[in-house]
Amino acid sequence: AQSVTQLGSHVSVSEGALVLLRCNYSSSVPPYLFWYVQYPNQGLQLLLKYTSAATLVKGINGFEAEFKKSETSFHLTKPSAHMSDAAEYFCAWGGGSQGNLIFGKGTKLSVKP
Amino acid sequence: SAVISQKPSRDICQRGTSLTIQCQVDSQVTMMFWYRQQPGQSLTLIATANQGSEATYESGFVIDKFPISRPNLTFSTLTVSNMSPEDSSIYLCSVVGSGWGETQYFGPGTRLLVL
Repeated sequence: AQSVTQLGSHVSVSEGALVLLRCNYSSSVPPYLFWYVQYPNQGLQLLLKYTSAATLVKGINGFEAEFKKSETSFHLTKPSAHMSDAAEYFCAWGGGSQGNLIFGKGTKLSVKP
Repeated sequence: SAVISQKPSRDICQRGTSLTIQCQVDSQVTMMFWYRQQPGQSLTLIATANQGSEATYESGFVIDKFPISRPNLTFSTLTVSNMSPEDSSIYLCSVVGSGWGETQYFGPGTRLLVL
């Protein structure tokens, strides 16, 4: 069965520091991969998605992610954290026959001033 | 993408009662899903809402507990029946449109507390 693993349930960075949120997937099928962000008391907002067109994917709010098939990884990065980036981030795998997404457990990002 | 609304946005209910959550999309979509997000947890798929036919439920979820309707291509409802405190969660609908390539867009969620 497909699974998504997010390393670190909680990541804390200082404002202006690099953000790195890790995501690994397990699947033999070339996937669709997504990063979503959930701000407090809100739904999920799509940050970016990988659909095999390019391994480096740029998203909104300065985030990007690189697909590495050899490492089955899709880590999310941002060069300089902003206070407004504090939220929970979910990595998700798509491409199954049912059309649904399989989510990682999420990583809560805190940004210190 | 699409604009997705959910009603109610939040509710507090007594155990043993039922709550129906509505999901409305501003354009026709091909697929609609219902997810549950328990406190501090990730999202778990409840079911795929199928237009004009019975929903497809994931393991661990049954129609008697979570009846779903999807009468057209822009609207779906999820009912949480005979609620218990364990049903306290955020319930989210998501949609996929034609040509979106597996991308799901989510509604704002319904925050349910069962006492």
